Amino acid sequence: AQKITQTQPGMFVQEKEAVTLDCTYDTSDPSYGLFWYKQPSSGEMIFLIYQGSYDQQNATEGRYSLNFQKARKSANLVISASQLGDSAMYFCAMSLYWGNNAGNMLTFGGGTRLMVKP
Amino acid sequence: EAQVTQNPRYLITVTGKKLTVTCSQNMNHEYMSWYRQDPGLGLRQIYYSMNVEVTDKGDVPEGYKVSRKEKRNFPLILESPSPNQTSLYFCASSLTENTEAFFGQGTRLTVV
Repeated sequence: AQKITQTQPGMFVQEKEAVTLDCTYDTSDPSYGLFWYKQPSSGEMIFLIYQGSYDQQNATEGRYSLNFQKARKSANLVISASQLGDSAMYFCAMSLYWGNNAGNMLTFGGGTRLMVKP
Repeated sequence: EAQVTQNPRYLITVTGKKLTVTCSQNMNHEYMSWYRQDPGLGLRQIYYSMNVEVTDKGDVPEGYKVSRKEKRNFPLILESPSPNQTSLYFCASSLTENTEAFFGQGTRLTVV
């Protein structure tokens, strides 16, 4: 079964600085997708960025980029120029495209709480 | 507006009293899923559905039932709720496995 590990329960970052949130995953399937979601204190889940296992380039979406290192099975989220509004829980998640668990949508990590200091 | 709608948003109930949390999406998505979120555990999948009448267990299905009679609706049923089912529940839908999932606003359930 697939597994997602986020080793940083909480992190602080100074406003306007960059921050990296760690995510490692474990699967034996060759075809998968990796996602990052943000959950502010209001509780909703907001999609940030997606990386497919066969994508050659690292995904970027505005201030968000995904540092995908396939051999190391890591998919770290990099937030550049942090803003106060970035304070939230961040979840890494994975989906499988084929195989026994295909279609079961997302397996989530335990999350990282990011706090941006003014 | 594309959205996933869950109801109710908040619910307090007593042990053993059957309840249903509704979920509806207006994006014609094939995939729908239910998750529960507990502190320190992230989100864990309860059940998922790949299409009408196609459902399967996720990681924590015990004590829950689902049905997918229509593409847009995916209700979560707790036949006999217990206090360990007190949690924050999310419904989500996506077009495929490798596209973003859209989440409902969540249902905070307390079982006393």
